[in-house]
Amino acid sequence: KAGVTQTPRYLIKTRGQQVTLSCSPISGHRSVSWYQQTPGQGLQFLFEYFSETQRNKGNFPGRFSGRQFSNSRSEMNVSTLELGDSALYLCASSFGGPAEETQYFGPGTRLLVL
Amino acid sequence: SQQGEEDPQALSIQEGENATMNCSYKTSINNLQWYRQNSGRGLVHLILIRSNEREKHSGRLRVTLDTSKKSSSLLITASRAADTASYFCATAPYNTDKLIFGTGTRLQVFP
Repeated sequence: KAGVTQTPRYLIKTRGQQVTLSCSPISGHRSVSWYQQTPGQGLQFLFEYFSETQRNKGNFPGRFSGRQFSNSRSEMNVSTLELGDSALYLCASSFGGPAEETQYFGPGTRLLVL
Repeated sequence: SQQGEEDPQALSIQEGENATMNCSYKTSINNLQWYRQNSGRGLVHLILIRSNEREKHSGRLRVTLDTSKKSSSLLITASRAADTASYFCATAPYNTDKLIFGTGTRLQVFP
């Protein structure tokens, strides 16, 4: 079956703009997690959604938000972009949750903020 | 903050040699997972080991877990150039539903 897909793959924005990233999980998976990866901070957990509800949230400001639709597809939004938001954003899906079982990762969206 | 710290940060070996990476963590866990990442792409799951397991194998990979020392190791035997990648441990702390990644080890395997 098809893997996790993320769109767009690359994005360039300027400071102050907002951005929406999309993640389509593997069919049947109800949990979607988002991570930010930067050279300085490594892989940081953003949030996790399960059946349209946010179950867990990492230590990120309120500018970072997300949602999950009834078909399990998820979006994350970053408002008022800052230079430090430049990163690779990864989503991962699973049947249960990130702490229970294997996570299947998408290829990521590389965001550059100028 | 990072739950896991990996050691070494970087490792260079020749094809055919074994590579060992270590991961230490801070709190009690439900399980520990190892992932591989090639050159800024998505992560690929390698092995999940639960807190009540001590060792697990998958092909050329062997993972050990010592919960008393809060540490794990990943051994790749008979390494290949295609094993060149970054390797991350990720822990699922007890009573949370989060997966927290370590800092990673960059492995370079020379042909």
